[in-house]
Amino acid sequence: KNEVEQSPQNLTAQEGEFITINCSYSVGISALHWLQQHPGGGIVSLFMLSSGKKKHGRLIATINIQEKHSSLHITASHPRDSAVYICAVHPGGSEKLVFGKGTKLTVNP
Amino acid sequence: GAVVSQHPSRVICKSGTSVKIECRSLDFQATTMFWYRQFPKQSLMLMATSNEGSKATYEQGVEKDKFLINHASLTLSTLTVTSAHPEDSSFYICSARGPGSSYEQYFGPGTRLTVT
Repeated sequence: KNEVEQSPQNLTAQEGEFITINCSYSVGISALHWLQQHPGGGIVSLFMLSSGKKKHGRLIATINIQEKHSSLHITASHPRDSAVYICAVHPGGSEKLVFGKGTKLTVNP
Repeated sequence: GAVVSQHPSRVICKSGTSVKIECRSLDFQATTMFWYRQFPKQSLMLMATSNEGSKATYEQGVEKDKFLINHASLTLSTLTVTSAHPEDSSFYICSARGPGSSYEQYFGPGTRLTVT
């Protein structure tokens, strides 16, 4: 079993829909990242969080440390949001990252 | 700020040759950089942790003599794939630990290596 599980693996939405991507992990962590990977391959860091909630534009990330769960929400989704979204965690006090397999999001116009 | 570049973005090489990939932090100093590999439709896997001025720390199963890492300055780490084989074809991504929190990482755009 992977230390970091994401769901769903694939998600197709219509433009304007509210999107939720989930991440569950099995180990104690110091921090969690949400990353975005576009088809070209480059990775952009969206959020790093260790508690609570963060918001940036139409993106919201939440984390529940006790339940070992995080969610990434996208409001008013747009075709340009189409990408792979990756959850990654720092186990314990480690600087290393352990990655989920990613959620492929396709937003249709 | 906190931009990481990689060069080249794509490289094709013949089996048996060596390829060097550069990872640079453009506007900050990075004492620690990380090298990852990603196979198609797979998640990223950490290959090694690169520390400026010292030997890299390799993850289990990664051959240090095949994947040579040099972190000679605070802004540059290089990964050299020696005696490349077709199975080394992959997407290689570096990241640099940010100037703030030790958990902050900034990713490079990646290098697509194809070995023919």
